Amino acid sequence: DADVTQTPRNRITKTGKRIMLECSQTKGHDRMYWYRQDPGLGLRLIYYSFDVKDINKGEISDGYSVSRQAQAKFSLSLESAIPNQTALYFCATSKGYLNEQFFGPGTRLTVL
Amino acid sequence: QKEVEQNSGPLSVPEGAIASLNCTYSDRGSQSFFWYRQYSGKSPELIMSIYSNGDKEDGRFTAQLNKASQYVSLLIRDSQPSDSATYLCAVILSGGYNKLIFGAGTRLAVHP
Repeated sequence: DADVTQTPRNRITKTGKRIMLECSQTKGHDRMYWYRQDPGLGLRLIYYSFDVKDINKGEISDGYSVSRQAQAKFSLSLESAIPNQTALYFCATSKGYLNEQFFGPGTRLTVL
Repeated sequence: QKEVEQNSGPLSVPEGAIASLNCTYSDRGSQSFFWYRQYSGKSPELIMSIYSNGDKEDGRFTAQLNKASQYVSLLIRDSQPSDSATYLCAVILSGGYNKLIFGAGTRLAVHP
């Protein structure tokens, strides 16, 4: 089945460490997104990419960076993790104009 | 005013009843609307999309859109305990890059 995968699924790290979360998809979608979810705050967009050469900041991009290595791969980095980046992180993909987004299983990140 | 608002719930309904979930949005130019279901600790799953005023039915689910009132709803007929989850309303804002904005979600509890 065409799918969206995320690695790792769980990660515990310490303040100041560099962390990379990876997302891969076999759906053939051109658009990819990174969200974080915090209790009571819903899903918030961190970065999005409409193709390999098009990367855009979302509403909460400070402290994060991304890399679109190929159409199927989109990575999120935390250069120097801090405790308030503890959250559930989701990657999503969509195709073209309709923008129905399909989510990966998520990464639970804990920063101590 | 939040861009997408939902009652956080919990909304409690008996098994077999109709569950009605509501969502309002602030951008009058929005054209695309989605409902996602999210089980605890899992990723959001797209269950309905609606683009035109009126009703759209898919199995036990009906989405209703009223652009004049800036209101979108989801009805779940014959509610089952397996429908117990958080339901996220999402809207694509007009202009810009078709960004999807999520409400914080309504928690639904279906009791036997």
